[in-house]
Amino acid sequence: GNSVTQMEGPVTLSEEAFLTINCTYTATGYPSLFWYVQYPGEGLQLLLKATKADDKGSNKGFEATYRKETTSFHLEKGSVQVSDSAVYFCALSSNTGKLIFGQGTTLQVKP
Amino acid sequence: GAVVSQHPSRVICKSGTSVKIECRSLDFQATTMFWYRQFPKQSLMLMATSNEGSKATYEQGVEKDKFLINHASLTLSTLTVTSAHPEDSSFYICSARAGTSLRTDTQYFGPGTRLTVL
Repeated sequence: GNSVTQMEGPVTLSEEAFLTINCTYTATGYPSLFWYVQYPGEGLQLLLKATKADDKGSNKGFEATYRKETTSFHLEKGSVQVSDSAVYFCALSSNTGKLIFGQGTTLQVKP
Repeated sequence: GAVVSQHPSRVICKSGTSVKIECRSLDFQATTMFWYRQFPKQSLMLMATSNEGSKATYEQGVEKDKFLINHASLTLSTLTVTSAHPEDSSFYICSARAGTSLRTDTQYFGPGTRLTVL
C-alpha cells in the first residue's frame, strides 16, 4: 500500500541555519506529493506541492524536488527563522484522491 | 483564495450530548470534503470522505452512526458527534478539494475544532 515516512523529530536549529527534513514514499502509480505546515493549535496549510517527477515545488523560501528514482521529496530551506517553528507533514495523493500523511516532523528554531 | 473555515473553533460539552461542527469553503465550490481526527503530537487520521449530495464514505473502524456527516451543498459539510464521550475528545479538522483530479488537486484545510467532552 501507499505510505510516507518522515525523519523523526524534533529538529532543533538556530536561526539562519540550513534546514532539511527528509521524506520518502512508497506508492503504486504516480502520486502527487505535498508538504503541509501546522502551527500550534491550527489546521494545516499547504506549503508546496509537486505533481510529477523532477518537478520542484517552492514557497516562502522552502523547496522540495520530486525524485522518482529515490522516491523522495525532501524539504529544504536555506535560512530558517524563528517563525518557521511548526510541525511539517509530508503527504502523497494517489488516484483515490485521499491524502496519505507522514507522521510529522516538529521544527524548533531558536534565536 | 482557497479558504476553508470551521465553526466552532472550540467546544466543551457534557458526556452524552451531541455536537455539530461546520466546515465551509469560503471562496470556492468543494466537490469533495474530508474529515480528519488528530490526536496530540500525532498525524491526521482520515475519518470519512463526502461528496455533495451523496452519502459519506467512512474509513475502516470509524462508526458512521456516531460520526454523522452531511454534505448539503458545495460549500458546506457538517460533522455531528452523537452521544459524545470523553474518548471522543480530539482535534477535528476538515479539508476541501475543488477540482475533479483525484491525484493532483490540492486539499485545503480548515483551522480545526477542539472538542472536549467532560
